[in-house]
Amino acid sequence: AQKVTQAQTEISVVEKEDVTLDCVYETRDTTYYLFWYKQPPSGELVFLIRRNSFDEQNEISGRYSWNFQKSTSSFNFTITASQVVDSAVYFCALSERGYGGSQGNLIFGKGTKLSVKP
Amino acid sequence: SAVISQKPSRDICQRGTSLTIQCQVDSQVTMMFWYRQQPGQSLTLIATANQGSEATYESGFVIDKFPISRPNLTFSTLTVSNMSPEDSSIYLCSVGKGQGYYGYTFGSGTRLTVV
Repeated sequence: AQKVTQAQTEISVVEKEDVTLDCVYETRDTTYYLFWYKQPPSGELVFLIRRNSFDEQNEISGRYSWNFQKSTSSFNFTITASQVVDSAVYFCALSERGYGGSQGNLIFGKGTKLSVKP
Repeated sequence: SAVISQKPSRDICQRGTSLTIQCQVDSQVTMMFWYRQQPGQSLTLIATANQGSEATYESGFVIDKFPISRPNLTFSTLTVSNMSPEDSSIYLCSVGKGQGYYGYTFGSGTRLTVV
């Protein structure tokens, strides 16, 4: 069965610290997609990154970086030099192929609440 | 990519009443997903709505409580029926960006409070 585990419920850091959010997933499918979303207090979901199961390249985007390791079924997210505006709940999510090869739904982890203090 | 207009953005409802949430997409999409996010919790899939067929509900969600309509490829509604305070949540609709891309677009959410 598919599952996404974010073991860290809450993390609190001081501004400019680096922080890594962990994500471990389970799937039996060989083709799958992993996502990170940010949900600020306002409630909307902000897409951060998508990675497919065939692409294990790590990615860096500004202060954000992602480490995808199929061997450990992990897709961790690092924020470098954190800022107060990074305070939000971060969700890791997994999608597999749906019925007949259609696009399946997202399975979300429980989320990690990040608080960045000035 | 698709843009979703979700209404209402928030509502406060009396217990025992029903609320219908609408999602309008600016392009035709096959699958539409409805999620619930209870306070302080993650997003849980309620059902998948395919145009022209009955919605497929996840375990723990039933059609009598959460009837869904999908009259065409750009529109869907979710009704929360006979509401109780436990239904207070954010409800979100989402569509896929198309086969082969596997990205998703989300509506802005409906923040429901049942009193």
